[in-house]
Amino acid sequence: EAGVAQSPRYKIIEKRQSVAFWCNPISGHATLYWYQQILGQGPKLLIQFQNNGVVDDSQLPKDRFSAERLKGVDSTLKIQPAKLEDSAVYLCASSLAGAVYEQYFGPGTRLTVT
Amino acid sequence: QQPVQSPQAVILREGEDAVINCSSSKALYSVHWYRQKHGEAPVFLMILLKGGEQKGHEKISASFNEKKQQSSLYLTASQLSYSGTYFCGTNLFTGNQFYFGTGTSLTVIP
Repeated sequence: EAGVAQSPRYKIIEKRQSVAFWCNPISGHATLYWYQQILGQGPKLLIQFQNNGVVDDSQLPKDRFSAERLKGVDSTLKIQPAKLEDSAVYLCASSLAGAVYEQYFGPGTRLTVT
Repeated sequence: QQPVQSPQAVILREGEDAVINCSSSKALYSVHWYRQKHGEAPVFLMILLKGGEQKGHEKISASFNEKKQQSSLYLTASQLSYSGTYFCGTNLFTGNQFYFGTGTSLTVIP
């Protein structure tokens, strides 16, 4: 069974530029999560999708971050414009159906904003 | 709403035991445990769904005290491969929101 795929693996941009991350969850998984993990801290949930609907985006900085999950499968997370404090690893995870199921994580995208 | 873990860091010699605690200020529906090695993504260890439930995974087990809104992860006879950062993750009773804890760094030395 293929795991969670993410791209790119690494990205370096200058502040005020825009960037997009892509995630393909495990086939059949209804729930998709985007996390931001700053060095030395635990993953912070940015947004949680159930199929193509949003379950929770309370910690998503909506003035600069946006996410979509078209057709309830792939998802894209965008930052526009980026700030220095956005430097982090962005993790995508999926689970079968909701937060009571184990989450499978992709390899992450390491973003550096200079 | 982020659960608090203790201790923040622990160093063990091979074969020693450790306990990692996870406390929430909110009523919990489920607790997850994950281990993350440096530069890698978190890997699932176990989920506890009911108050008072205990589970085991080789020499790693956990308990969930619903009344105290706490969970503990027990690592017995630690091995070098146990090194990493351990995170609890909590699913609040009031919804599907999921929060990772503050993390506990575990280092096992020979």
